[in-house]
Amino acid sequence: KAGVTQTPRYLIKTRGQQVTLSCSPISGHRSVSWYQQTPGQGLQFLFEYFSETQRNKGNFPGRFSGRQFSNSRSEMNVSTLELGDSALYLCASSLGAGRETQYFGPGTRLLVL
Amino acid sequence: DQQVKQNSPSLSVQEGRISILNCDYTNSMFDYFLWYKKYPAEGPTFLISISSIKDKNEDGRFTVFLNKSAKHLSLHIVPSQPGDSAVYFCAARVEYGNKLVFGAGTILRVKS
Repeated sequence: KAGVTQTPRYLIKTRGQQVTLSCSPISGHRSVSWYQQTPGQGLQFLFEYFSETQRNKGNFPGRFSGRQFSNSRSEMNVSTLELGDSALYLCASSLGAGRETQYFGPGTRLLVL
Repeated sequence: DQQVKQNSPSLSVQEGRISILNCDYTNSMFDYFLWYKKYPAEGPTFLISISSIKDKNEDGRFTVFLNKSAKHLSLHIVPSQPGDSAVYFCAARVEYGNKLVFGAGTILRVKS
């Protein structure tokens, strides 16, 4: 089975712009979660989508949003980018029952200038 | 509020010896714990997990021990290999949902 894929792998944006990141889960997985990794804060949970609905949400401002499509692919969007949004954004997928292992993609490295 | 703590930022071990990575947590609602290994510029790779109803789980060279009363878990790698050199993250999940809370990570260096 193919693993979790994320596109693009690298991205450079300037402050004030917006960005959309994409995640394709492992085939058959219905849950997609997003995490942000920064040197200062470590790995932090952004949100989780299951069956096109947001099921869990972390403590991030409303500039961070996401959605999930009927094929379980997910996108996350960050509007009005700030320098502090520079991070590795990781997507993880799981079957969706809520008690199983999450498998991570390679991440998208976002640099905000 | 750091609910999952990995107090050792780094650990250096000789090849063939045991590596022990530790993790402490504060939230008694955590019911499932996982260990991930991460190389730079890659996503975390799942290693091993343990449910809160167990105290030990083994998978090959990897064993995770859970002490619920102490709110402590540890990952043992025996024997350690140079390819094990990476950052190891402990993660915990609350009873409902897929939100994982991660520790800060421990850098493991296995010297040959």
